[in-house]
Parts: sequence; C-alpha cells; structure tokens
Amino acid sequence: AQTVTQSQPEMSVQEAETVTLSCTYDTSESNYYLFWYKQPPSRQMILVIRQEAYKQQNATENRFSVNFQKAAKSFSLKISDSQLGDTAMYFCAFIDGSSNTGKLIFGQGTTLQVKP
Amino acid sequence: EPEVTQTPSHQVTQMGQEVILRCVPISNHLYFYWYRQILGQKVEFLVSFYNNEISEKSEIFDDQFSVERPDGSNFTLKIRSTKLEDSAMYFCASDGRNEQFFGPGTRLTVL
Repeated sequence: AQTVTQSQPEMSVQEAETVTLSCTYDTSESNYYLFWYKQPPSRQMILVIRQEAYKQQNATENRFSVNFQKAAKSFSLKISDSQLGDTAMYFCAFIDGSSNTGKLIFGQGTTLQVKP
Repeated sequence: EPEVTQTPSHQVTQMGQEVILRCVPISNHLYFYWYRQILGQKVEFLVSFYNNEISEKSEIFDDQFSVERPDGSNFTLKIRSTKLEDSAMYFCASDGRNEQFFGPGTRLTVL
C-alpha cells in the first residue's frame, strides 16, 4: 500500500528564520506526484507546492522550496524567511500517476508555529 | 481565479438524519473528489468521480454515502442516516491535471 509519513507532529520557528518539514513516502510506482498543502486555522486546504517525480529539479514557489530525494523517497518542504501567516498545519500528499482516479494520499500533518 | 465552492459552511444535524453537502467544482475540471477530516486527524479520501460515475471509493464510503452530479455543475455528497462518528470536516476537490484544488469545506456536526 502507498503511504505518506510525516514524523514531526509539531514544529516551531522564529519569524524570519528557515524551517524544514520532513516527509517520506512509500510506493513501487515510478510515475507519481507529490504535494504540500497548508491548512491554516480556517481549515481551508491550500496547495503550496507540487513536484512531478520525473523531474529532477526541485520545485520552488517564492519562499517555499522542496528537497526531493527520489531514491530515498523523501520530500521535505523548506520555508525561508518564515512569516506569522505561515502558522498552519502542513500536509504532505501523494498521487499515483498510473492511477485512473488520482486520489490524494495524505500524511498525518505537521503543525507549524511561527513565533514573533 | 476559479475556485471550488462548498455549501453550507457548517451543518448541524441530529443522528439518523439525512444530510446533503454541496460543491461547485472548477468548471473545466473533469475529476471530482470528496475527502473527510476528523478534527485533529489527517485528511482521508472518500470517493472519486469521473464521467458521471464513481471511479473509486474508500472503505469509509459505505452504503450510507452517495454522490451525484445532478446538473452538470453541482457535485453533492449525501449521507442517508448520519452517525455521531460522521462529525468531521468534508472537503470537495476538483482536478484538472493531477493538481487538486479544494473547497473551503463543510463542517458537519452530528448530535
């Protein structure tokens, strides 16, 4: 079965500092997609960043970047220059690219607190 | 920017009652999903829908649940006889190309 694991239930960081959230996944597929979603207190699910497994280059979106290590099945999220608005729960998620349904499989989430 | 919408934002119901949660996906998307998140837990897949039929459903999606797209725009999740354990946040999502966008969710409280 495909699984996503986030081993850090909670993390905190000082405003303007950098923080890295960890995620590992397990799959036998070679074609898949990885995502980080942000869930602020409003509970809206917001797509932060997306990575296609066939791309070697790590995805970047402004202050958010990933470290995608395909052999290690690792997909960490780095948040640079942390802001108070980054306080949220962050979910790592996976889509099997060979699936005809495209369902997302989520990790357990990491609660990030940005401190002033 | 197109977005997924959901109504109501909060639904309170008595155990055993039927509820219908509504979603309007992004208009040119073809794949639609319902997910559930019990408070403090991870987001769980319920069902996927494509070409007017269910393409996959999870173990959670038992006979008490149904989905339909009645008019080509709305996408609904019906729970026929709610249980206490159905209390959760329900998210609708739509996918254009292996990238899912979520609605704001409906918080369902079963008393």
